[in-house]
Amino acid sequence: EDKVVQSPLSLVVHEGDTVTLNCSYEVTNFRSLLWYKQEKKAPTFLFMLTSSGIEKKSGRLSSILDKKELSSILNITATQTGDSAIYLCASTSGTYKYIFGTGTRLKVLA
Amino acid sequence: DGGITQSPKYLFRKEGQNVTLSCEQNLNHDAMYWYRQDPGQGLRLIYYSQIVNDFQKGDIAEGYSVSREKKESFPLTVTSAQKNPTAFYLCASSILEGDTQYFGPGTRLTVL
Repeated sequence: EDKVVQSPLSLVVHEGDTVTLNCSYEVTNFRSLLWYKQEKKAPTFLFMLTSSGIEKKSGRLSSILDKKELSSILNITATQTGDSAIYLCASTSGTYKYIFGTGTRLKVLA
Repeated sequence: DGGITQSPKYLFRKEGQNVTLSCEQNLNHDAMYWYRQDPGQGLRLIYYSQIVNDFQKGDIAEGYSVSREKKESFPLTVTSAQKNPTAFYLCASSILEGDTQYFGPGTRLTVL
């Protein structure tokens, strides 16, 4: 059965800290891995990683795909209170199907 | 502005009632999806549609129904057969199936 596992489940840090969120996947016919940020309502898209694009960066956020270890990390440097959210990881297999992890709840304290 | 809208934002239902959640997009996306989100669980796929007048069951379709009469619209009906309907419902769309999905703001359904 396809599955995506995220760790840790929750995390509390102080502003300025660097955090690393983990996502591992077991998916047949792996196609891509995606990261979303969910604050209160709609998850907003952060990154998509595929076999042809294993590292992405946007400002203080970056993500790497490790195809050998079947995993991905999301790094956030110099965290701010506005980074507080649930971070969702999803893997796509074959065609339509997204398999989501349970998410990591990040809280950044001022 | 392009985007996905869902309504209502909050919905209360009595047991035994059917309710319909609205999802509209003006992104010209072909594929649309409905997910359910419960605390401590990942998003679970209810139904998806790749094209107008066609849709498929996801992992937890029992007690739900959908229609796709227009490209822009993909309403979800939560029927009385759904035993535990209280949840946060998210609609998403993508250009084609398998492409990046973009989400609406969600509807929180509570059964009284």
